[in-house]
Amino acid sequence: AQSVTQLGSHVSVSEGALVLLRCNYSSSVPPYLFWYVQYPNQGLQLLLKYTSAATLVKGINGFEAEFKKSETSFHLTKPSAHMSDAAEYFCAVSGRTGNQFYFGTGTSLTVIP
Amino acid sequence: DTAVSQTPKYLVTQMGNDKSIKCEQNLGHDTMYWYKQDSKKFLKIMFSYNNKELIINETVPNRFSPKSPDKAHLNLHINSLELGDSAVYFCASSPFFTATYEQYFGPGTRLTVT
Repeated sequence: AQSVTQLGSHVSVSEGALVLLRCNYSSSVPPYLFWYVQYPNQGLQLLLKYTSAATLVKGINGFEAEFKKSETSFHLTKPSAHMSDAAEYFCAVSGRTGNQFYFGTGTSLTVIP
Repeated sequence: DTAVSQTPKYLVTQMGNDKSIKCEQNLGHDTMYWYKQDSKKFLKIMFSYNNKELIINETVPNRFSPKSPDKAHLNLHINSLELGDSAVYFCASSPFFTATYEQYFGPGTRLTVT
């Protein structure tokens, strides 16, 4: 079975500061991991994904995430926060098929000017 | 060109009514999904539909029924609506029914049952 845990339902950072959103996973098979972003009143948009290639994955809008098997983590980072980064962020893990897609509970990111 | 579209965007209805939400994808994907997002933003898969095979999450009440007239459409029909059905419903699609492919989401339908 697969699951993800996102630590911190709310994260606030100052504009220009480092963004770190935490995600830990549990999986009985080699996991595929995803980060999605949801802007207010919109659907989810893929930021990046890990599918067993490079452990450091670069995504859109300057975000990246590192897969660490030893820590069962897939934390999302961005060196410098921008006001437009304020949104809800979801980590997700999938098993072998598309219906085995599990989202974390989300982290709401606030960027303070 | 909207990749995954849903109609309506907002749906307000009374308990006991029957309603449908439509979803269309123009990405040529083989697989479509329905998700429910509750008031705490928790997302849970309800159905996946791949090559005419429907996989139902066992926790979904049988008042919910997906209907796929063709590969590009997966509509959600809900009978006898209840207050607890109030949520945002997202349609999604992916190229194939394998885990390596990300899912593309529609804009959501906010259902309010009064």
